[in-house]
Amino acid sequence: EPEVTQTPSHQVTQMGQEVILRCVPISNHLYFYWYRQILGQKVEFLVSFYNNEISEKSEIFDDQFSVERPDGSNFTLKIRSTKLEDSAMYFCASSESLAAIVDTQYFGPGTRLTVL
Amino acid sequence: GDSVTQMEGPVTLSEEAFLTINCTYTATGYPSLFWYVQYPGEGLQLLLKATKADDKGSNKGFEATYRKETTSFHLEKGSVQVSDSAVYFCALSGRSGSARQLTFGSGTQLTVLP
Repeated sequence: EPEVTQTPSHQVTQMGQEVILRCVPISNHLYFYWYRQILGQKVEFLVSFYNNEISEKSEIFDDQFSVERPDGSNFTLKIRSTKLEDSAMYFCASSESLAAIVDTQYFGPGTRLTVL
Repeated sequence: GDSVTQMEGPVTLSEEAFLTINCTYTATGYPSLFWYVQYPGEGLQLLLKATKADDKGSNKGFEATYRKETTSFHLEKGSVQVSDSAVYFCALSGRSGSARQLTFGSGTQLTVLP
């Protein structure tokens, strides 16, 4: 069964450094998403991406964040200058259809980001 | 804005016990409702969904009914197994504007003991 994959599973970085989190969505899907979960808190929407541009973004997704689909398979989240409060589990998701009323999002296993 | 309130855990049950995890929501319009499950070390998996009032979603023995009058989507299972031990998340997606943005509850950790 096709699945969303994410790398790395765990990333440790120093405050102020740039990180890139990688995702490979399911191959025929058109919409891509990033969510995050700070330890002990809710899963929060960051951004959705369609047709090579951002479709929606939340207040969390400020200028420090960017997303890109650099090739036909990868979808990346970049944090330009990490802060301690960026430590969280980051989930990538993808969904198939533009036309569906309810479009199921399929999630990857997550990348745990630790900022020291 | 939209929000989901979920029963706090952790919940510990014996095998074959009855499970209920409460979920209520606040949303404008007519959201779609979901339950996701996260097994240890894995991503969020869709367990079931319901797209309109009175719909019942079901999968793997789990059920939830979309109750618009009480704005609820409680998860139930008649007889839990050890393999059901996981974190369960209630979520909604709106019908307008943020139709593709999932809003999650805080998650409920379920442990089933043999």
